[in-house]
Amino acid sequence: DSGVTQTPKHLITATGQRVTLRCSPRSGDLSVYWYQQSLDQGLQFLIHYYNGEERAKGNILERFSAQQFPDLHSELNLSSLELGDSALYFCASSESILAGSYEQYFGPGTRLTVT
Amino acid sequence: GNSVTQMEGPVTLSEEAFLTINCTYTATGYPSLFWYVQYPGEGLQLLLKATKADDKGSNKGFEATYRKETTSFHLEKGSVQVSDSAVYFCALSDPNRDDKIIFGKGTRLHILP
Repeated sequence: DSGVTQTPKHLITATGQRVTLRCSPRSGDLSVYWYQQSLDQGLQFLIHYYNGEERAKGNILERFSAQQFPDLHSELNLSSLELGDSALYFCASSESILAGSYEQYFGPGTRLTVT
Repeated sequence: GNSVTQMEGPVTLSEEAFLTINCTYTATGYPSLFWYVQYPGEGLQLLLKATKADDKGSNKGFEATYRKETTSFHLEKGSVQVSDSAVYFCALSDPNRDDKIIFGKGTRLHILP
């Protein structure tokens, strides 16, 4: 158990819909990272928040957005869903602002299926 | 830009065989290098890391040496077990930037009893 929790575990929705994925980091960790894992694209970095502020963006679509709240939990919002958005979405947390300096602890993931 | 290339799987070995999973990278500067492991149905876990040239990371019998001259970070284990069956990801990051870890596409490992 990494200490990172993600809800829901599975999500099935239709094209055009909007969903929200939730992540609670390990106690004390200020950084939250979101990743998308799909069969064709592999593991792609989406976005990084540190203590409530956006720090870096990766391959995140404009239809996707995220935020980190004062209690440090984070939400990833996916809208106007397309079939190609079906993937595993992971969040990871770290005590540091620097991606490479400290271990990132991954949650179990949310499996999103768009039908 | 920075990138990671690792051998494609799946890799199938018998228990107690020697394992090598190749990983090479392209990066400016001096990245940190990592191996992560993903067991079925779980998130990724850090297996080992190295932060400078010639460093050797090791954990659970796995080893990898940061080779700057060949830009490689190959994962090795002398005697694999069935419980090592998983997907292994090589990754890098620039320790002076707060942006991201770049992952390879992953190598699925199957160990037969």
